[in-house]
Amino acid sequence: EVQLVESGGGLVQPGGSLRLSCAASGFTFSDHYMDWVRQAPGKGLEWVGRSKNRDASYTTEYAASVKGRFTISRDDSKKSLYLQMNSLKTEDTAVYYCAAFLVGTPYWGQGTLVTVSS
Amino acid sequence: EIVLTQSPGTLSLSPGERATLSCRASQSVSGSYLAWYQQKPTQAPRLLIYGASSRATGIPDRFSGSGSGTDFTLTISRLEPEDFAVYYCQQYHISPCSFGQGTKLEIK
Repeated sequence: EVQLVESGGGLVQPGGSLRLSCAASGFTFSDHYMDWVRQAPGKGLEWVGRSKNRDASYTTEYAASVKGRFTISRDDSKKSLYLQMNSLKTEDTAVYYCAAFLVGTPYWGQGTLVTVSS
Repeated sequence: EIVLTQSPGTLSLSPGERATLSCRASQSVSGSYLAWYQQKPTQAPRLLIYGASSRATGIPDRFSGSGSGTDFTLTISRLEPEDFAVYYCQQYHISPCSFGQGTKLEIK
């Protein structure tokens, strides 16, 4: 069974940093693309970025709203995906989800809440 | 960037009725990478349809997806009380990946 479990959310002040983790199980992590998606309170879903697999040279891509502030990385040996968030703004407050794409089928975690507030 | 536009923004129907939700893309989307999600308050999105027309595991057959190119449709054949929620489409092939703004399906 595919499982994705996010962790690392919490309260952080504007300008601060936070690192989210996503632990994967039930599939060959290294073979697949992984995304981060977020949802601000009362708003729609927003794609944050992507980590491609080894075959695609682990290329990362980002939404314009986070490029230069957020960094996606992965550790295939630990079956984990990470989101390093720097220079956080109040508008980054959201539930952050990781997602995996297995043979064209998306799988999502349950999310972790990040609150940016003074 | 591919922009997905969902319509209508809100759909008011009664249980037992048929619901038709639209997702239109600003440029052609590979149908293999078009998904529909259902979301209820305080819950994570639930995958309903992937590959434009394939039902996810455990999804009732009253949910169906269709379409290709720039026009995609989610149909709920006979609404059950638990189907009233917000629905999103997503293209996950070309970065930046994108979501529609959502259609709220409410009880009339």
